[in-house]
Amino acid sequence: NAGVTQTPKFRILKIGQSMTLQCTQDMNHNYMYWYRQDPGMGLKLIYYSVGAGITDKGEVPNGYNVSRSTTEDFPLRLELAAPSQTSVYFCASSYPIQASNTGELFFGEGSRLTVL
Amino acid sequence: DAKTTQPNSMESNEEEPVHLPCNHSTISGTDYIHWYRQLPSQGPEYVIHGLTSNVNNRMASLAIAEDRKSSTLILHRATLRDAAVYYCILRDLGETSGSRLTFGEGTQLTVNP
Repeated sequence: NAGVTQTPKFRILKIGQSMTLQCTQDMNHNYMYWYRQDPGMGLKLIYYSVGAGITDKGEVPNGYNVSRSTTEDFPLRLELAAPSQTSVYFCASSYPIQASNTGELFFGEGSRLTVL
Repeated sequence: DAKTTQPNSMESNEEEPVHLPCNHSTISGTDYIHWYRQLPSQGPEYVIHGLTSNVNNRMASLAIAEDRKSSTLILHRATLRDAAVYYCILRDLGETSGSRLTFGEGTQLTVNP
């Protein structure tokens, strides 16, 4: 299994440009998440989704948009990139936690974005 | 969101046990306690989770206080590869309320040779 796949792994953007970070999972997980991690800091939740067609804001949603048209894909769009969006972005997925499973989050390898 | 509190950093010597604490005084009856760790330049990975009873797996042990307001992740013999940031989070049983998962700053564990 590929698990959670993120592309691109690295990207440099100029201020004001837009781009989409791709995330796909092959585990048929209902839940998907986008986090950002600034240097030396913890993970901050940007957006999350509990299923196709359903998305919700996390802690730091400003400047980002998401969509969930399929179970597998959860792209994150940056509009009008700003230096404050320089960060490492992690996508994750999981089943809902139940007594019969761990609800373990599976993370991608991350996408390092620099905005200059 | 139920919150957790962890020390910013801890240090240990190789081959000694490590006890990483986590306080979660506002935990609800349906919150599972999850631990993740993040190795340098990698995404976080699941370590262990529990509800009320202590838990063991191949990676670690989880000790949960009787009142569930705190827990401790135990690495029985720390190795240099255990140097990482360890996150303690709460995850509510239930499809709706358990979906918004936030991480704190975690505990940076340094393992000395």
